[in-house]
Amino acid sequence: DQQVKQNSPSLSVQEGRISILNCDYTNSMFDYFLWYKKYPAEGPTFLISISSIKDKNEDGRFTVFLNKSAKHLSLHIVPSQPGDSAVYFCAASATTSGTYKYIFGTGTRLKVLA
Amino acid sequence: DTGVSQDPRHKITKRGQNVTFRCDPISEHNRLYWYRQTLGQGPEFLTYFQNEAQLEKSRLLSDRFSAERPKGSFSTLEIQRTEQGDSAMYLCASSPPAQGGEQYFGPGTRLTVT
Repeated sequence: DQQVKQNSPSLSVQEGRISILNCDYTNSMFDYFLWYKKYPAEGPTFLISISSIKDKNEDGRFTVFLNKSAKHLSLHIVPSQPGDSAVYFCAASATTSGTYKYIFGTGTRLKVLA
Repeated sequence: DTGVSQDPRHKITKRGQNVTFRCDPISEHNRLYWYRQTLGQGPEFLTYFQNEAQLEKSRLLSDRFSAERPKGSFSTLEIQRTEQGDSAMYLCASSPPAQGGEQYFGPGTRLTVT
C-alpha cells in the first residue's frame, strides 16, 4: 500500500527552465509534507516543507504547492541548474494523529541538462 | 560540522552475524528516526524516539531488529542473525521539538550481508 506516490521515475529539463516534480498521496490525515534531494552515497538533504494549512511555500528557487482536495503536491525549481541533478523525494506525515513518522515516495530522478 | 553522524559508513558481514550501528543526532534535536533504503525505493520508516522513549516501531521490523536511545542522545540499531535481505542503506535522522519537524539525515550506513 503505497500511500505516497511519485509516478515519474525520471525527468530531464534544460538548464534555466522550470522543473516540476509531482507527488500524490492517499491518506487524508497527512498534514505535513517535506521535500528532499539526494545525491549518490549521501543521506537525503531537506529542501522545503509545507503544512496543510497553506497551499504554497517558497524558499529561493524552490516553491512547493499543495492541493489538498486533489491530494497532490508539486515542487517547482526555477531556474533549474545542473547542480540540481539528483533524486527528489516527497514525504508526508499525519502529525495531528500524534505521529512524526514520515512516509516517503519512491523518488524522481531529475537531470538538468547544460 | 554539527550535522547528524553515523558510524560505520559501510559494513560487510556474513549471514547470521550480529551488527550494530550508531547514530549521533544534532544536539538540540529531541526526536531521532531510523529508516532503511533499498535501491529504487524511498526511505522506509523503521522506528523513532522522542528523547529516550521509543514511540513507534514499524510492523515491518522483525524481532531481529532492536533500537535504543539510552540517554536521549545517541542511538544504536542492532540487527541480530543478519540475512541477505537486510542488505540496505540504514539512515538516521533527527528533528527539533517543533510541529511537523523537518528531519535532517545523516550520511547512512551501507550494510552488505554476504
